[in-house]
Amino acid sequence: KAGVTQTPRYLIKTRGQQVTLSCSPISGHRSVSWYQQTPGQGLQFLFEYFSETQRNKGNFPGRFSGRQFSNSRSEMNVSTLELGDSALYLCASSLAGQPNSPLHFGNGTRLTVT
Amino acid sequence: KNEVEQSPQNLTAQEGEFITINCSYSVGISALHWLQQHPGGGIVSLFMLSSGKKKHGRLIATINIQEKHSSLHITASHPRDSAVYICAVEGDNDMRFGAGTRLTVKP
Repeated sequence: KAGVTQTPRYLIKTRGQQVTLSCSPISGHRSVSWYQQTPGQGLQFLFEYFSETQRNKGNFPGRFSGRQFSNSRSEMNVSTLELGDSALYLCASSLAGQPNSPLHFGNGTRLTVT
Repeated sequence: KNEVEQSPQNLTAQEGEFITINCSYSVGISALHWLQQHPGGGIVSLFMLSSGKKKHGRLIATINIQEKHSSLHITASHPRDSAVYICAVEGDNDMRFGAGTRLTVKP
């Protein structure tokens, strides 16, 4: 079974631009969650989607949004990029979603904002 | 005070040593996860616990819900165990993470 696939692996953007990241979950998994990892703040929960609906959301501004398609693939969008958005963005899929389902992580997208 | 505290922050061990990493949390949880992150960023889920103890190979994870504390043990440590180990607690609506423990196992 293929693992969780995130594209692209690396991305360089300029302040003020927007970016879209993609996450393809393990086949059969209906939940996709997104996380931001920075040296200063560590790992932080962004949001979780289950069956095309956002179920949970972390404490991030509205510039961070996402969606999930009928095939469970998910996209995350960040608008009006700021330097502080430079981070490793990870997604994870699970069979049933939070709570209490093991998570399977992708390798992440490393975003650099200049 | 962070809601999820890990200790120690850094740990260096000799190959073969028994290792313990601790995680204390202050919020109500439905599950606790132990994650392993190697250089380059990829994260592997090691355990998901809501009570008791789990074992997988040389790794053992325990949780005490009353004391709000979990431990990850590595027996007979090996250089390939060198990684950052992260504790994550899952509530009803979100997930919160410890800062991680950087483990280096020397041959």
